[in-house]
Amino acid sequence: AQSVAQPEDQVNVAEGNPLTVKCTYSVSGNPYLFWYVQYPNRGLQFLLKYITGDNLVKGSYGFEAEFNKSQTSFHLKKPSALVSDSALYFCAVRDRRDDKIIFGKGTRLHILP
Amino acid sequence: GAGVSQSPSNKVTEKGKDVELRCDPISGHTALYWYRQRLGQGLEFLIYFQGNSAPDKSGLPSDRFSAERTGESVSTLTIQRTQQEDSAVYLCASSKGSSGSVNEQFFGPGTRLTVL
Repeated sequence: AQSVAQPEDQVNVAEGNPLTVKCTYSVSGNPYLFWYVQYPNRGLQFLLKYITGDNLVKGSYGFEAEFNKSQTSFHLKKPSALVSDSALYFCAVRDRRDDKIIFGKGTRLHILP
Repeated sequence: GAGVSQSPSNKVTEKGKDVELRCDPISGHTALYWYRQRLGQGLEFLIYFQGNSAPDKSGLPSDRFSAERTGESVSTLTIQRTQQEDSAVYLCASSKGSSGSVNEQFFGPGTRLTVL
């Protein structure tokens, strides 16, 4: 069965600095990988996905993520953080052999002004 | 273009009562998912529907939980004999399904369930 680990419950970054939110996964085969964001009092929104091809995936709001097969990781990154990026971020994985999507526990990102 | 809608938005019930939560997916989306999000926790997979295939119920925590879907439209999640640990936000999501493509999920606003 597939699983996702987000090792950090919370990440604090100063505004303007680069940010990284970590995600590692476990699936039997090759994965599909996703990042979602949950802003306060709002529903989850899709940020980006990895299907195949280029390991660096670009998404909404200037975010990107790098797929690393050898490390089974899909870390979320942004070169310069904004206070408005403060939210709860979820990594998710889907095994290519079925359609079930499993989410990590989430990482709360605090961007400090 | 309406998004995923869920009703009610809030539900307060007494321990032992049954509750029914509703999800209206985006029209044309064949895949529908239910998740549970306890306070301060991540998303816990409950159940997944894909078209007319048998649902994946592997995430349902107990036999008090059940869900149905009418064709490729509305879904209801039923919790019988509610317990206080059932208190959570229940999220529904839909997507276009597989059919050889990988599509992101669109989430509803959730139903906040409080069991007293």
